[in-house]
Amino acid sequence: GAVVSQHPSRVICKSGTSVKIECRSLDFQATTMFWYRQFPKQSLMLMATSNEGSKATYEQGVEKDKFLINHASLTLSTLTVTSAHPEDSSFYICSASVSASNQPQHFGDGTRLSIL
Amino acid sequence: AQTVTQSQPEMSVQEAETVTLSCTYDTSESDYYLFWYKQPPSRQMILVIRQEAYKQQNATENRFSVNFQKAAKSFSLKISDSQLGDAAMYFCAYGHTGANSKLTFGKGITLSVRP
Repeated sequence: GAVVSQHPSRVICKSGTSVKIECRSLDFQATTMFWYRQFPKQSLMLMATSNEGSKATYEQGVEKDKFLINHASLTLSTLTVTSAHPEDSSFYICSASVSASNQPQHFGDGTRLSIL
Repeated sequence: AQTVTQSQPEMSVQEAETVTLSCTYDTSESDYYLFWYKQPPSRQMILVIRQEAYKQQNATENRFSVNFQKAAKSFSLKISDSQLGDAAMYFCAYGHTGANSKLTFGKGITLSVRP
């Protein structure tokens, strides 16, 4: 149980385009999901906390208008990288835990984003 | 704010031997969770083990065990009978109690296993 699916696994696109990444909890409900960014050989950096039915909470230094987060249902959160540029190229990972529980977070398999 | 420190960037172990990965953290809270996550080259994040701070007994999961020293704020991971498949990056993480709390990760350590 507790499977988190992330899609797409890899995307390559031109500079200036917007890219949407989906994070789904397949067999549980998640009122909260988390979005991380990871550079090669580095740790996970929390970008934002996605809350179902309300605005996301962004970490300091993360541009809200650049990284749009929508959490419209208890099983789906999306991250849209708007007007992507080469410096946005990175590995993005989402995670979720079962609602109203102390269960550990389960992670999606990540999305490798490459902006040309 | 909580911080998690993994001071060793890399370690190597001989297959079938035992290795210990170090982690220290800083917090003013008395109750919290600590985790070790494994990230193999596929970059999938896999939960290895979890420790609840209010529990004195060290958590164990098969070949993986922790040495949790609350007073020293130390949380090391011991891998026994190391296998080639254990080669990965390992991240120590801190989590608050309460539902849906975010995690604070250490920088990670790259573990290689020599055949």
